Amino acid sequence: DIVMAQSPDSLAVSLGERATINCKSSQSVLYNYNNKNYLAWFQHKPGQPPKLLIYWASTRESGVPDRFSGSGSGTDFTLTISSLQAEDVAVYYCQQYYNTPNTFGQGTKLEIK
Amino acid sequence: QMQLVESGGGVVQPGRSLRLSCAASGFTLSHHGIHWVRQAPGKGLEWLAVIAYDGGKKYYADSVKGRFSLSRDTSKNTVDLHMNSLRAEDTAIYYCARDFTPLILTPVGGMDVWGQGTTVMVS
Repeated sequence: DIVMAQSPDSLAVSLGERATINCKSSQSVLYNYNNKNYLAWFQHKPGQPPKLLIYWASTRESGVPDRFSGSGSGTDFTLTISSLQAEDVAVYYCQQYYNTPNTFGQGTKLEIK
Repeated sequence: QMQLVESGGGVVQPGRSLRLSCAASGFTLSHHGIHWVRQAPGKGLEWLAVIAYDGGKKYYADSVKGRFSLSRDTSKNTVDLHMNSLRAEDTAIYYCARDFTPLILTPVGGMDVWGQGTTVMVS
């Protein structure tokens, strides 16, 4: 199974500042035949289902604010929130869908400083 | 608006069975693979299983392989998660989610539409 490791486990950022969450996979999730990274980012708030933010490592889902961006390739990925808003407080997960079992990172709890 | 709705959760004794259902509105359920993901109390997200759009290919996490199974009920237009030999550690919120690539024999694995979840307590 591919193991996904996120860092940090928790993060406190001031409103308007940048938040950066890292995700590392135990093996590459890049398919060479289509040059796509099978990596997604989700936002999860209490009492709500997870929300897809980013797929193919860097493609923003429709309706997601452009302050959210994803980058990286192979085994190392980053989710960046360029200017933190109060509504961004949540737990963020990366997930690989390169193969089954699809696996999630352990989550990063993002709070306001 | 595209939606998924889970049903069938509840309190069940260890060793017993339960069936969860996932119904769709706003899109054609039979055109998409459907995943199940759970979140145990105080824990993160755990992917459990996926069934292809045609009900052909099915994949399971080791934690539920042999105990849980997926099926499509065409008469009710649902995807069902059959859970047997339930354990205390199966206590969780269970979500179904749509695979974002339609009409593909092997689900890609990206999940773009999620249900609100249904709670299962094994006690």
